[in-house]
Amino acid sequence: NAGVTQTPKFRVLKTGQSMTLLCAQDMNHEYMYWYRQDPGMGLRLIHYSVGEGTTAKGEVPDGYNVSRLKKQNFLLGLESAAPSQTSVYFCASRSTQGAGEAFFGQGTRLTVV
Amino acid sequence: GQQLNQSPQSMFIQEGEDVSMNCTSSSIFNTWLWYKQDPGEGPVLLIALYKAGELTSNGRLTAQFGITRKDSFLNISASIPSDVGIYFCAGLLTGNQFYFGTGTSLTVIP
Repeated sequence: NAGVTQTPKFRVLKTGQSMTLLCAQDMNHEYMYWYRQDPGMGLRLIHYSVGEGTTAKGEVPDGYNVSRLKKQNFLLGLESAAPSQTSVYFCASRSTQGAGEAFFGQGTRLTVV
Repeated sequence: GQQLNQSPQSMFIQEGEDVSMNCTSSSIFNTWLWYKQDPGEGPVLLIALYKAGELTSNGRLTAQFGITRKDSFLNISASIPSDVGIYFCAGLLTGNQFYFGTGTSLTVIP
């Protein structure tokens, strides 16, 4: 059982380039989340989704877009990368059943130069 | 966004000592969670709390959901070197959004 898988694990972008981060979960979870982690700031919610075809903004959505075309996948896009988007990005998923705790991927380290 | 204030920011302790950290918020949460993050990894759930006043243990870890629903604390007893990492509190509001604290970095000195 793979859980939550993020692709890629590392990436270096030039300012202005675009890219998409992929998150895949095999737990049939309804909710999926994208966070960014910066030193001293914990995890900040970028966007989230409560189900296939739905997305919503979190705390820091500017400069990012997301899509949830399939229940198991949640994509995070950067249309025009900026150095301020250098960060570690984490995806998480959560079930609506039971305890509802979130499970995290291993992260994507993105550097924008 | 929601503000979760976690303290202390960092701790350096001797192996065998007990550890206490806490998390406070200006908002009322329905669920409190404590996660641990090892270097290069994603956070992993340690303990989940669902009711005000709830006290829950997981091995050497004990966590409590504050009566006011605006705070939570985590204790680690008899620390060992593998306890090293960053500990995050997280709160869940009604609905779907988790908010995380800024983390407590724990260093255990053998």
